[in-house]
Amino acid sequence: DQQVKQNSPSLSVQEGRISILNCDYTNSMFDYFLWYKKYPAEGPTFLISISSIKDKNEDGRFTVFLNKSAKHLSLHIVPSQPGDSAVYFCAARSGYALNFGKGTSLLVTP
Amino acid sequence: ETGVTQTPRHLVMGMTNKKSLKCEQHLGHNAMYWYKQSAKKPLELMFVYNFKEQTENNSVPSRFSPECPNSSHLFLHLHTLQPEDSALYLCASSQGGSGGSGGVYNEQFFGPGTRLTVL
Repeated sequence: DQQVKQNSPSLSVQEGRISILNCDYTNSMFDYFLWYKKYPAEGPTFLISISSIKDKNEDGRFTVFLNKSAKHLSLHIVPSQPGDSAVYFCAARSGYALNFGKGTSLLVTP
Repeated sequence: ETGVTQTPRHLVMGMTNKKSLKCEQHLGHNAMYWYKQSAKKPLELMFVYNFKEQTENNSVPSRFSPECPNSSHLFLHLHTLQPEDSALYLCASSQGGSGGSGGVYNEQFFGPGTRLTVL
């Protein structure tokens, strides 16, 4: 049973606009959330994270929002750039393990 | 070499073969992980080692055998695999800790993966 869900397998956004990637989870015991970015033929690269005691974390063009009551988090990329085109994975920590979503493929078009 | 490296990058093996995947991290981390990514499935955690001790075995079949001789190296020994074991195998590392979840196992750094095909 999947505890971390990314319901949109793909997203297309125009360069300069905002990209919003969504993630839902079911386990209220998750205490730390992360976003990873993956290019083809490479391993996932850590992007940004947020602790469950916060509701927002910002790093340059990337902002992660956490809504604990809704068990929902989102990654905002603004402005989007063509180099942001990749697969984005949401992950949630429980004990020793990171639980990953299936990923959302983002395409940023010029 | 920097970061997390994995060899080989691609491997094709028959069901009766024995092979090993190697992972090496150059980040000074103490925790290492094996993940499996099958087509259209999320990353699945297989094994966790913290300070060379196995702390997690996520119900992985015995045909997969991990080995962690030191904090920098991690192996996955493969024996009599099945075609459904074909997948991308990813190694990761992170700062380890004395246990519990506080401050441990946060950001994990991944290698490029080994694409395994079992015929």
